[in-house]
Amino acid sequence: DTAVSQTPKYLVTQMGNDKSIKCEQNLGHDTMYWYKQDSKKFLKIMFSYNNKELIINETVPNRFSPKSPDKAHLNLHINSLELGDSAVYFCASSPGPGIGSPLHFGNGTRLTVT
Amino acid sequence: GENVEQHPSTLSVQEGDSAVIKCTYSDSASNYFPWYKQELGKGPQLIIDIRSNVGEKKDQRIAVTLNKTAKHFSLHITETQPEDSAVYFCAAQYSSASKIIFGSGTRLSIRP
Repeated sequence: DTAVSQTPKYLVTQMGNDKSIKCEQNLGHDTMYWYKQDSKKFLKIMFSYNNKELIINETVPNRFSPKSPDKAHLNLHINSLELGDSAVYFCASSPGPGIGSPLHFGNGTRLTVT
Repeated sequence: GENVEQHPSTLSVQEGDSAVIKCTYSDSASNYFPWYKQELGKGPQLIIDIRSNVGEKKDQRIAVTLNKTAKHFSLHITETQPEDSAVYFCAAQYSSASKIIFGSGTRLSIRP
């Protein structure tokens, strides 16, 4: 069983479209995250939710909207996609938001905007 | 601001030799330092971590050292094997925000 699973694995779409990426974790963790990895492999945190509440919201365009229906799911919706949104998006979870809580990553969603 | 610098960006070593990756962090309040390994097409995976009250930690061929005064920490891989080839990320967790900030990654290649 995959601990953190994201769908889809690949997403190719045109500029201006709206798309969603889904994430689910079966580890019983309280905290979930979205990270963006650009073409140079740089990993940058976007959002974090703890028990369905937003606790970290980095400087991300408001075209990106996370939603957490329950603590096992964290979805990412992106409106009006732009070329610069092309990247690999990783979902992750951790036992809690506190210090020393290791991240468990999914295998990523490669988003290509044409 | 919150920053983690990582060097080198690429590293090639002969199989059986050791590899060392170094990182520095900017916030002296940081107290948790994990290391992640990312293989092609997969998400980063935690391989070892160290907390600020410990200077060194070892797990088989992998060891991490921490110098809080200098704000440096390093990953040491001994007796490297082909399966060690991957991208390695250091990270630091800033207690003020509880978020984990990653270094820019090191692509490690093991030459047969």
